[in-house]
Amino acid sequence: SQTIHQWPATLVQPVGSPLSLECTVEGTSNPNLYWYRQAAGRGLQLLFYSVGIGQISSEVPQNLSASRPQDRQFILSSKKLLLSDSGFYLCAWSKVGVRVSKLFFGSGTQLSVL
Amino acid sequence: AQSVAQPEDQVNVAEGNPLTVKCTYSVSGNPYLFWYVQYPNRGLQFLLKYITGDNLVKGSYGFEAEFNKSQTSFHLKKPSALVSDSALYFCAVRDARKKDSNYQLIWGAGTKLIIKP
Repeated sequence: SQTIHQWPATLVQPVGSPLSLECTVEGTSNPNLYWYRQAAGRGLQLLFYSVGIGQISSEVPQNLSASRPQDRQFILSSKKLLLSDSGFYLCAWSKVGVRVSKLFFGSGTQLSVL
Repeated sequence: AQSVAQPEDQVNVAEGNPLTVKCTYSVSGNPYLFWYVQYPNRGLQFLLKYITGDNLVKGSYGFEAEFNKSQTSFHLKKPSALVSDSALYFCAVRDARKKDSNYQLIWGAGTKLIIKP
């Protein structure tokens, strides 16, 4: 069966520090991968998505970047965090080749920038 | 423009009573519609989806949703609420004309469902 791992679960970082959040998927190959941010426990904002290794699409210009160094690994990064980067970050994946696929989400990372 | 509205920020229901969480949408073509649930400090979980066919869709945990094309709605329902149903519920939509493209999902703002014992 497929599983998605996202870590760390919580992170407290000072302003100006770097960030690296990692997400891996097991039990499937060539998934579509996504990074979402959820502010204040509500609406979802799609940050990045990837349809293959090294292929990253950005939905919102921001202080963050994403990379996909391996087929089932998706990394969210920042060189210098801002206060506004605080939030709940969710990684997700979906199957390719399914007409109406659903999203499978990781358990999320609560990021607090102080 | 495509959009999803969840008009209720919060819904309070007594345990054992029926519940409804509302969702209305706007897309250019036919819609694919989804409901996801989020428990505290967790990721979202898929509940159900409407693609085509029967307007009443059954999903996980006893939930169902009714697609109403004339009212452009996709309300989530459950005949008898449980305290464990308390969570944040998200409705999402995308245009059926586009090939599989979860990155084009339009998300509602979420509705907090509170089930009181």
